[in-house]
Amino acid sequence: QSALTQPASVSGSPGQSITISCTGTSSDFGGYNYVSWFQHHPGKAPKLMIYDVIVRPSGVSNRFSGSKSGNTASLTISGLQAEDEADYYCSSFTSSSTWVFGGGTKLTVL
Amino acid sequence: QVQLVESGGGVVQPGRSLRLSCAASGFTFRNYGMHWVRQAPGKGLEWVAIISYDGSNKDYADFVKGRFTISRDNSKNTLFLQMNSLRTEDTGVFYCAKDRGLDYGIEVWGQGTTVTVS
Repeated sequence: QSALTQPASVSGSPGQSITISCTGTSSDFGGYNYVSWFQHHPGKAPKLMIYDVIVRPSGVSNRFSGSKSGNTASLTISGLQAEDEADYYCSSFTSSSTWVFGGGTKLTVL
Repeated sequence: QVQLVESGGGVVQPGRSLRLSCAASGFTFRNYGMHWVRQAPGKGLEWVAIISYDGSNKDYADFVKGRFTISRDNSKNTLFLQMNSLRTEDTGVFYCAKDRGLDYGIEVWGQGTTVTVS
């Protein structure tokens, strides 16, 4: 079970938009749309930002959006804010009925 | 609101065992699947295991199969992770997490408990 592939780091200035990719195999995504994105500030509990590829939980800013094309899912954050600086992880339900995370992406707000 | 509080972490020697607990509140525990996820120092999140709402189905990551056992006590709203034959590479923070439903993905996380195998 290899991790999904994410860029190690991305950065952007306040107000800009960034996109984090999450690439796997067809088995990693299992033919389902059970892709989630989590925000993790070190020392705190991770927080669900997107589920089922595109759905934003109640209370999550609409600056966060998700998409998926083929075997690559993406998280886009628009109007970057200082508090968006964190680690971001994608997660997917696999064809083996297990779950897999991406390696994580450190977002720096310049 | 949903609360998940892990306990049972600590320092243990390689080859020994440890049992983690996760006390759940703020939701109907017996209706939801539950996960364990770990994070090694300086590394990313790794999914460890899931148990179905009634405990009848369990799935594990390959690297813990045969060593770790996930279980739950719905009468006490508590999730467990029995970890045997611990290795130094098992060191990390272990998070308990609530599924959105039966097995649809993690919705809420606990604060984690630290396990050090040394």
